[in-house]
Amino acid sequence: EVQLVESGGGLVQPGGSLRLSCAASGFTFSGYWMHWVRQVPGKGLEWVSRISRDGSIATYADSVKGRFTISRDNDKNTLFLQMDSLRAEDTGLYYCAGAGPRDWFDPWGQGTLVTVSS
Amino acid sequence: SYVLTQPPSVSVAPGQTARITCGGNNIGSKSVHWYQQKAGQAPVLVVYDDSDRPSGIPERFSGSNSGNTATLTISRVEAGDEADYFCQVWDSGSDPWVFGGGTKLTVL
Repeated sequence: EVQLVESGGGLVQPGGSLRLSCAASGFTFSGYWMHWVRQVPGKGLEWVSRISRDGSIATYADSVKGRFTISRDNDKNTLFLQMDSLRAEDTGLYYCAGAGPRDWFDPWGQGTLVTVSS
Repeated sequence: SYVLTQPPSVSVAPGQTARITCGGNNIGSKSVHWYQQKAGQAPVLVVYDDSDRPSGIPERFSGSNSGNTATLTISRVEAGDEADYFCQVWDSGSDPWVFGGGTKLTVL
């Protein structure tokens, strides 16, 4: 069964840091570009970041550039998102997702909730 | 950056056809993908490349794309289709992966 399981979310103060993880199973993780997408509960979806199969290419949304870092460990089938200098507007449910051949998202994890508040 | 516009809500009776639109400048020149998100769950891809269905998605789900509007059509709507639906494209702008604001489908 194809599965993505996120972890690492929680409550953090503005200016703080969190590291999200996404454990993949049931498919060849190293063969997929991977994304992070976030969603404010009850609101829309926002793309955050993407990483290439070997981890050499990373792309970020303007809203997180310079503060977030995406990485991966193909030996451990795990995707990461290091989030620094967090702001209240970073609050949301963070999903990891696989990248389809023509830029769709599939599969998706169940998400991990990040709350930035004092 | 590229903008996708969806109606906030669509309502339809069971057994009828629901059409959810996604508007964008010359969207017909792009590949449009659609996601279904049921309450408390992660999004699920239901249509990709305008009109193709992933395995396991019922034939009742179909898509089209032309001009400035893409459309997700759900035939013979069932209560279990009640969800939020999001369209998505890739654009060459600074934030390349763009989502519409989402449409809440209510089955009456």
